[in-house]
Parts: sequence; C-alpha cells; structure tokens
Amino acid sequence: LAKTTQPISMDSYEGQEVNITCSHNNIATNDYITWYQQFPSQGPRFIIQGYKTKVTNEVASLFIPADRKSSTLSLPRVSLSDTAVYYCLVAEGGGSTLGRLYFGRGTQLTVWP
Amino acid sequence: DTEVTQTPKHLVMGMTNKKSLKCEQHMGHRAMYWYKQKAKKPPELMFVYSYEKLSINESVPSRFSPECPNSSLLNLHLHALQPEDSALYLCASSTWPNQPQHFGDGTRLSIL
Repeated sequence: LAKTTQPISMDSYEGQEVNITCSHNNIATNDYITWYQQFPSQGPRFIIQGYKTKVTNEVASLFIPADRKSSTLSLPRVSLSDTAVYYCLVAEGGGSTLGRLYFGRGTQLTVWP
Repeated sequence: DTEVTQTPKHLVMGMTNKKSLKCEQHMGHRAMYWYKQKAKKPPELMFVYSYEKLSINESVPSRFSPECPNSSLLNLHLHALQPEDSALYLCASSTWPNQPQHFGDGTRLSIL
C-alpha cells in the first residue's frame, strides 16, 4: 500500500504560483499519481494524473522525479476560487489488476486577495 | 453539475430505519465506488464494483449493503446504522479502477 504525505495547509495570494508536494516513498512500478480538488459539500474533482516526468493540462502541471518517490502539483496564477482541499492519490495496481485507491490527508490551500 | 448523480442529497434517519442511497452514471464506466467522508477528513474507500461485481469490500460493517443492479446504477442499502455513521457518502465511477474517478456531490447522512 503506497501511503502519501502532504502538507496540511498552505497559503498564497492571488496571481502567485502554488506548488504542493506529495511524498509516496513506497510507490510501486505500476502505480499512477493522481491529484483531486475538493470544495466544501462537493465531491472531489480530478485535476491531473501522471506516471513519470512532467504532465501539463489547461489547469495544472504535475512534476514527477525519476525515482517517483514524490510529486509536485503546480497551480499557475491562483485565484480566490482555487481555495480548496487538494488530495494526492496513488493507485495501487495497474493494467488488468484491480487496485485499491486511497486518498492522502489532503492540503488545504487558502488563496488571499 | 456532475456526471455522477446521487440521490437523495440529504437524508436523516433513525437507527432502526432502512433506507437506500442511489448513484447513477451514463458515461459507460465499468468501475463504481462508494466512499465515506467525515468532516475535515479524506474520503475513505468502502466498496469497489467492477463490471457489476463486487471486487473490494474494505471491511465495512454489514449494516451497509451495496448493490449494483446494472452498469449505470449503484445502490447502498442502510439498516440499523449508528450515530457514528453520520457522514457524507460519495459515489464515483471510472473507466477502470486506476483511472481518474468522477465523483458525485454525495449524500449527507445524519443518524439520529
């Protein structure tokens, strides 16, 4: 079971870049790393997923070093609406193998004006 | 709006009641999940269904009984719940278990 460790909270100001790092020292070869965003009283929303190196979409970038023991979610130019809890998740198993999925503790990001 | 629909949004029930939570998706996903989330905690996996078959039960008490009638529907039957079962119950689906999950906005359950 690949457990994850994230900072409990982070603060930022509007327009700044935010980097949230997640540690997953026991990640397995077939595991993928996924990040979700959750607002109060809503279900989590998928942000980005990666296996190695760098992945970028219209919302965020995900940086994964070669050893894959950590990953960093990068949010460019945050706004007040980015205030939410961000979860790092490592999927155990891959391909046709059914895996268990566990959320980390989450990072509460607060963006100030 | 989400592509995973959960009903009801709120449910209050006594400890002797029987009720069901419902979840529906029409994205053709073949994996569906139930999670329980307490306040200020991460979602905790309860059950995983793959191709309408229960594949993971995370040692959930028998007072929670999942059911997957078809590939679009997922139910969670509740009976004789305890006050500590009060929580947000989230349903999710994905093309396959290690693929990104789509979550509903949950059912807020309160046990009196």
